[in-house]
Amino acid sequence: AQSVTQLGSHVSVSEGALVLLRCNYSSSVPPYLFWYVQYPNQGLQLLLKYTSAATLVKGINGFEAEFKKSETSFHLTKPSAHMSDAAEYFCAVRVGGFKTIFGAGTRLFVKA
Amino acid sequence: DTAVSQTPKYLVTQMGNDKSIKCEQNLGHDTMYWYKQDSKKFLKIMFSYNNKELIINETVPNRFSPKSPDKAHLNLHINSLELGDSAVYFCASSQEGAWQFFGPGTRLTVL
Repeated sequence: AQSVTQLGSHVSVSEGALVLLRCNYSSSVPPYLFWYVQYPNQGLQLLLKYTSAATLVKGINGFEAEFKKSETSFHLTKPSAHMSDAAEYFCAVRVGGFKTIFGAGTRLFVKA
Repeated sequence: DTAVSQTPKYLVTQMGNDKSIKCEQNLGHDTMYWYKQDSKKFLKIMFSYNNKELIINETVPNRFSPKSPDKAHLNLHINSLELGDSAVYFCASSQEGAWQFFGPGTRLTVL
């Protein structure tokens, strides 16, 4: 069955430190992968997407993610965390047709 | 100009009531969705319409009925509300199943 697993429901980093949010997927078709961010009391917004072009994908706000087929992973990184990055992050995979499956989310805390 | 809008933003109601949530998108997309986000932030697809045709209908109680009068609108009607229906409901849209644009959400509280 197709699925998305986000390792760690909570991640805490210091301001200026590396952000690494982990995502593994399983898909029976070539995957379209996404990261979305949700700020408190708001809807989700797209951070970046992988659609079978370059394996290293750059998104908004300095985030990037690397698609690794051999590891079935699509981890999200940012070199230097900012206080404004504190939010909930969702990894998602399009499983065919119009259906997208979302991971359980990772809450990112940024300490001053 | 808001891309995906939902009304109302907050909805507080009693058990057993019937309520509706409206969604509109001005992006010209052909596909719209309803998601339910529970208190643990888990996001679950409920329905999806493509060009006004129902294409995704997950395991949702039949008290929930979506309606798409045109490609720009997707409404959600809920009959006989229960405590477990309390959640945040998100509308989203996309073009041909690509990445989705989400609305701001409707926080439903059933007392």
